[in-house]
Amino acid sequence: AQSVTQLDSHVSVSEGTPVLLRCNYSSSYSPSLFWYVQHPNKGLQLLLKYTSAATLVKGINGFEAEFKKSETSFHLTKPSAHMSDAAEYFCVVSDQGGYGGSQGNLIFGKGTKLSVKP
Amino acid sequence: KAGVTQTPRYLIKTRGQQVTLSCSPISGHRSVSWYQQTPGQGLQFLFEYFSETQRNKGNFPGRFSGRQFSNSRSEMNVSTLELGDSALYLCASSLGGAEETQYFGPGTRLLVL
Repeated sequence: AQSVTQLDSHVSVSEGTPVLLRCNYSSSYSPSLFWYVQHPNKGLQLLLKYTSAATLVKGINGFEAEFKKSETSFHLTKPSAHMSDAAEYFCVVSDQGGYGGSQGNLIFGKGTKLSVKP
Repeated sequence: KAGVTQTPRYLIKTRGQQVTLSCSPISGHRSVSWYQQTPGQGLQFLFEYFSETQRNKGNFPGRFSGRQFSNSRSEMNVSTLELGDSALYLCASSLGGAEETQYFGPGTRLLVL
């Protein structure tokens, strides 16, 4: 079965400093991995998606993530934090069932709340 | 293209009542998935519909049901509401194939008193 573990429930950074949000995954198949962001009282917005085309995935708003199979990790990074980045971030794996195909079921990590200090 | 829309955005009900939530997917998307988000349990998958058929279901009691219409719009129904059903209910749409990205609506916040 697929699962994701977000290693930090809360991360605090200063504006202009790098952001690192950590995620480890477990999957029997080559996984589809995502990072979504949720601002307060809003829905989920897709930041980026990995589907085996390239191990370094670039997303929106300057975020990127690197898929490392040997470490089963998919950490999210950004070189310089902005106040508007303060939100909750979810690492997500697509449940691929028993045949390697998507079944429309996303499995979410518990989330990491990112605070950005001025 | 317009995004995923959900109605209503906020809802207050009392225990024992039933509720119906609506989701309109992005034009051309045939798959609609529903998720429940609570502070304690996080985001959990409820079910997915594709071409009017339930294709996958999460671990929720039978009080939670859904359906999808021929225009891909979907409804979720919760009967005999319990206090623990208070949550943000999110729907997401996708084209429906393997590895398709799901796009989320703003959610319906349900409060059960």
